[in-house]
Amino acid sequence: DQQVKQNSPSLSVQEGRISILNCDYTNSMFDYFLWYKKYPAEGPTFLISISSIKDKNEDGRFTVFLNKSAKHLSLHIVPSQPGDSAVYFCARIQGAQKLVFGQGTRLTINP
Amino acid sequence: GAGVSQSPRYKVAKRGQDVALRCDPISGHVSLFWYQQALGQGPEFLTYFQNEAQLDKSGLPSDRFFAERPEGSVSTLKIQRTQQEDSAVYLCASSYLAGGPGELFFGEGSRLTVL
Repeated sequence: DQQVKQNSPSLSVQEGRISILNCDYTNSMFDYFLWYKKYPAEGPTFLISISSIKDKNEDGRFTVFLNKSAKHLSLHIVPSQPGDSAVYFCARIQGAQKLVFGQGTRLTINP
Repeated sequence: GAGVSQSPRYKVAKRGQDVALRCDPISGHVSLFWYQQALGQGPEFLTYFQNEAQLDKSGLPSDRFFAERPEGSVSTLKIQRTQQEDSAVYLCASSYLAGGPGELFFGEGSRLTVL
């Protein structure tokens, strides 16, 4: 049962524009969601998180939105930069510590 | 070192061989995790330690997989009698108790190829 789903395997955006990465989830109760970013041959790195008591969390160019009624979260990157090209994973916490990841979306920023 | 260190970075094994993958977490990090990432997929949880105690091993796919962290620092993931479906990147991550929920520091991974 896929608890966290990223339906777009890839996304291409022009430099300077907004990138929007999407994630859907099931089985919602109190939840905590995170976004991780992964470059080739490196481990994932934490980017931003949001608790289900909030609708929005912002950190510089990165904003995560949580729509609880739609069971949907999104990551907005604005303006997009070439260094943002990477694979992005959404994840939720299950239990005390376990992370459940989506399949990932490969973001390519074109100059 | 400053980050989570994993070795070997690459391992090729013949089917049926045993392999051992090592993880050196960030110094002082109490929690340690192992994840398995198949090609084109997100990481999948294998097991979790707090200090030397293995608190959750629900993600280990079979009894061929075994993990230990005897002194609460370095951890080893052992796979016995490897099968082709074990081919994946094995990621180790650590975290400190005061950190935010789910904020893990990942190593670069050990890529296992079983022929």
